[in-house]
Amino acid sequence: EVLLVDSGGGLVRAGGSLRLSCAASGFIFNSYSMNWVRQAPGKGLEWVSSISTASSYISYADSVKGRFTISRDNANNSLYLQMDSLRVEDTAVYYCVREWDYFDHWGQGTLVTVSS
Amino acid sequence: EIVMTQSPATLSVSPGERATLSCRASQTISSNLAWYQQKPGQAPRLLIFGASTRATGIPARFTGSGSGTEFTLTISSLQSEDFAVYYCQQYDNWPPYTFGQGTKLEIK
Repeated sequence: EVLLVDSGGGLVRAGGSLRLSCAASGFIFNSYSMNWVRQAPGKGLEWVSSISTASSYISYADSVKGRFTISRDNANNSLYLQMDSLRVEDTAVYYCVREWDYFDHWGQGTLVTVSS
Repeated sequence: EIVMTQSPATLSVSPGERATLSCRASQTISSNLAWYQQKPGQAPRLLIFGASTRATGIPARFTGSGSGTEFTLTISSLQSEDFAVYYCQQYDNWPPYTFGQGTKLEIK
């Protein structure tokens, strides 16, 4: 069974930093690109970042470019999102998502709240 | 950036009836479209990929159709568990991957 467990969310002041983690199991992690998708309270889905299997291709949404850094550890089946210079508008549930062109498996999400 | 537009924003349908949800892309995306279902407090779940292929375990009452810029998700004979928010997403031209704003399917 594919399992993605998101963690690391919490309450942080604007300008602060947070590191999200995603522990993957039940599949060959290094065979899949991985993504982060977020959802602000009561809002829709927003793609945040993508990383290819060997970390050779990385992309970001314009809204987070220069502030967030995606990375992965294939030896430990883990995905990360380092979030710096956080803004109030970054408040959202962040989902770790497996990609096979489309997003076929999602973590349960971790809530990030940025206060002013 | 490809903009995805869903309609209607809210759809009220009685159990047992059919629901038709629409999604439009701002430029052609071939059949590179997915549909997701999200229930309150849960992560989204993949329903359809390739515009018309059901994901593993998805009931046959869910049907996706369309190509190019116009797409439809049809749910025949609505069950109580089908009332949720539905999102379309294009994966033809990225970054960025883009989602529609969602259609809330509610009980009439």
